Amino acid sequence: GAVVSQHPSRVICKSGTSVKIECRSLDFQATTMFWYRQFPKQSLMLMATSNEGSKATYEQGVEKDKFLINHASLTLSTLTVTSAHPEDSSFYICSARDQRAYATGELFFGEGSRLTVL
Amino acid sequence: AQSVSQHNHHVILSEAASLELGCNYSYGGTVNLFWYVQYPGQHLQLLLKYFSGDPLVKGIKGFEAEFIKSKFSFNLRKPSVQWSDTAEYFCAVNRGTGGFKTIFGAGTRLFVKA
Repeated sequence: GAVVSQHPSRVICKSGTSVKIECRSLDFQATTMFWYRQFPKQSLMLMATSNEGSKATYEQGVEKDKFLINHASLTLSTLTVTSAHPEDSSFYICSARDQRAYATGELFFGEGSRLTVL
Repeated sequence: AQSVSQHNHHVILSEAASLELGCNYSYGGTVNLFWYVQYPGQHLQLLLKYFSGDPLVKGIKGFEAEFIKSKFSFNLRKPSVQWSDTAEYFCAVNRGTGGFKTIFGAGTRLFVKA
């Protein structure tokens, strides 16, 4: 089956620093990846759609200069939280759409990355 | 705007009880519908999906869901739950075209008592 790997699974950083989270599709090509944020006991909130070779599309209310997304290859997308603050602490989840499941848009999820900003 | 509503936030059942989790969506056009499950300590995985054809779809582990277009609903069911079904269940929808941006419901935490 399609596997998505996310790294790191946990990261703790100081306020004001930047953190990069990687999302890789291990056995399929993903022209589109999605980044979600999950608050405790809440649903997944879509942050942005990451398209290989082009700029990401951000959802309303998500600061693109704060959450930098790069999708340089068909198997890798990165999310960089710049100048992180405690309110950015959250669980970030990436997902990828397998081109073979194009007709339905089924998503495959990474393990998630828990960011804690001190 | 597209939205997904899950009616039950927390459900507690005893083993062998029947389960039905409600899901309604707001988008009126062509949609693909999904139920994802997140077991404790694991990542989200697909339980079942509907994109066309028979509105009653069967997924893994004995789960099924019925798409009722007139009611904009996609309820999840299982006739007899097991302790191992304890997890969080998310209903999700994407449009049948475009970027397949997927919107999730708030999730339902199911706890099955042994």
